[in-house]
Amino acid sequence: GQQLNQSPQSMFIQEGEDVSMNCTSSSIFNTWLWYKQDPGEGPVLLIALYKAGELTSNGRLTAQFGITRKDSFLNISASIPSDVGIYFCAGQISSASKIIFGSGTRLSIRP
Amino acid sequence: DAMVIQNPRYQVTQFGKPVTLSCSQTLNHNVMYWYQQKSSQAPKLLFHYYDKDFNNEADTPDNFQSRRPNTSFCFLDIRSPGLGDTAMYLCATSRGLGGGSPLHFGNGTRLTVT
Repeated sequence: GQQLNQSPQSMFIQEGEDVSMNCTSSSIFNTWLWYKQDPGEGPVLLIALYKAGELTSNGRLTAQFGITRKDSFLNISASIPSDVGIYFCAGQISSASKIIFGSGTRLSIRP
Repeated sequence: DAMVIQNPRYQVTQFGKPVTLSCSQTLNHNVMYWYQQKSSQAPKLLFHYYDKDFNNEADTPDNFQSRRPNTSFCFLDIRSPGLGDTAMYLCATSRGLGGGSPLHFGNGTRLTVT
């Protein structure tokens, strides 16, 4: 079946650093979604992308729908402690297909 | 605030003892989903309802059942829980199935089978 490859699996950041993570697939998607999940909570939608090339911001977060429609990235600028958590990308190939999740990127604060 | 509410937040059950998890929504969304999420993994879709139409994923065990008595409520029934069913169970809703309908998740029920 279709798969989303999300990287990196985990990363350590220092407060104030910019962060970048991405998702790739061999399939073409018509929707890309980015979620954040805090421990013990459900995922929360951060950004939704619906068009190839679309660049959308939500505060310090920016996500882009890749031109090839096979990838998407999420950037976080000037990271703060509450950015810690697991970030999931998710995508949908067509209106008739289910939403597929990446394996997540765990963001931690470097001590 | 419109939201997706799951109860209970934590549930402990014994091996083989049936358990029911509940989900309610005030978003008036057409679609309700149940996901299973094991530690540090992505959510895995079990099944979904589009209105009253039930759609089971091919690899969802028969042990897992669902009911949607009305638009607002959806239940997950695990008939004979095994130790491997220990996980977070997430309910989600969406307006429709199309690309313009992202998932909205509840806070989950953490189930422990002993």
